[in-house]
Amino acid sequence: SAVISQKPSRDICQRGTSLTIQCQVDSQVTMMFWYRQQPGQSLTLIATANQGSEATYESGFVIDKFPISRPNLTFSTLTVSNMSPEDSSIYLCSAASGTDHGYTFGSGTRLTVV
Amino acid sequence: QQPVQSPQAVILREGEDAVINCSSSKALYSVHWYRQKHGEAPVFLMILLKGGEQKGHEKISASFNEKKQQSSLYLTASQLSYSGTYFCVPNSGTYKYIFGTGTRLKVLA
Repeated sequence: SAVISQKPSRDICQRGTSLTIQCQVDSQVTMMFWYRQQPGQSLTLIATANQGSEATYESGFVIDKFPISRPNLTFSTLTVSNMSPEDSSIYLCSAASGTDHGYTFGSGTRLTVV
Repeated sequence: QQPVQSPQAVILREGEDAVINCSSSKALYSVHWYRQKHGEAPVFLMILLKGGEQKGHEKISASFNEKKQQSSLYLTASQLSYSGTYFCVPNSGTYKYIFGTGTRLKVLA
């Protein structure tokens, strides 16, 4: 299965700034996804990163706040823009090679906004 | 709509069996199951396909109910390493994967 390198692993950011999280997959994958997870909670899907087209966002998430890039089949970035303390969370990227295969996850980015 | 899992939490002794349920509002094409340990990313355990075919873990199995709107995960002869939070990710045939509410499982020696 694919291996995903995600960075940074953690960061502490000032409110009003932006942070870009990167995910690199060691093989070409069809689908990449971005999730957010609060401590003790389930994962919440932010968006699906589509190669060659705009990302598809879930309800409650907008492109201006969470712009996503997917320039090729092995790489994606998520930017958390104009951050506030409410954006403090763990952000995870994941990838799948098809609907009948499991997802692989990056190790996560623990973001703290102060 | 987020899939609902039950129970929310369960404590077992090593060697005991457990069942975790996952309910969806739609008929399912497949269900993924993941386990997440504290401070780590979720790890894929298995997939249950609509025809009943399963791919994944040896000692873990799953099934659908009749209407294929509920799936159950069966953990047999649990080991200490089974501790963690289990998530179902039902799929209705799209590329959209929504995680269930989660079940915290703790296995005691």
